[in-house]
Amino acid sequence: GNSVTQMEGPVTLSEEAFLTINCTYTATGYPSLFWYVQYPGEGLQLLLKATKADDKGSNKGFEATYRKETTSFHLEKGSVQVSDSAVYFCASPSYNQGGKLIFGQGTELSVKP
Amino acid sequence: EAGVTQFPSHSVIEKGQTVTLRCDPISGHDNLYWYRRVMGKEIKFLLHFVKESKQDESGMPNNRFLAERTGGTYSTLKVQPAELEDSGVYFCASSQTGDNEQFFGPGTRLTVL
Repeated sequence: GNSVTQMEGPVTLSEEAFLTINCTYTATGYPSLFWYVQYPGEGLQLLLKATKADDKGSNKGFEATYRKETTSFHLEKGSVQVSDSAVYFCASPSYNQGGKLIFGQGTELSVKP
Repeated sequence: EAGVTQFPSHSVIEKGQTVTLRCDPISGHDNLYWYRRVMGKEIKFLLHFVKESKQDESGMPNNRFLAERTGGTYSTLKVQPAELEDSGVYFCASSQTGDNEQFFGPGTRLTVL
């Protein structure tokens, strides 16, 4: 079945630093790809998504490009803020087995002022 | 529009006791999913309902877990008897038919002592 591999954390950055969280996938075909975020004390929220190869998802200053050549969907932000401190999850649907999502391990990001 | 809600937000029980978690999906969403995140690891799929029917329950860890969705609206997930390893955060998500995007609830944090 499909799988998602995500860089492990925790990641600690200073405010205004550049952020990259790596995510790679293995899949049959080209499934949609998602980044979800969980802020402290809250539930999972969809941060951005891409539904086909070469698509770029963006939201709140975050971007991720669906690259089929490298089977990657890395999350980037040019200048992080303290409020970006959260756990980030890369995910993809498991086409062969219905609509369930396959998640990466989660990366905890801590941004210091 | 109300989002996915879950109850309770936290539950602390002793080993051997029973706990029932509830999820209310977004109105009109036929798909309902349960996921679990144990000890900071990846979020894992438990099962998927389409309306009141179990579409995929391949992620249910064992027969101590029982999920229901009578009437195709809200769902319950019962753990009986609870074991220490059942501790974690249980997420519920819902989606419309044909849509890959799943909307998540805030989760229920279960602690088994």
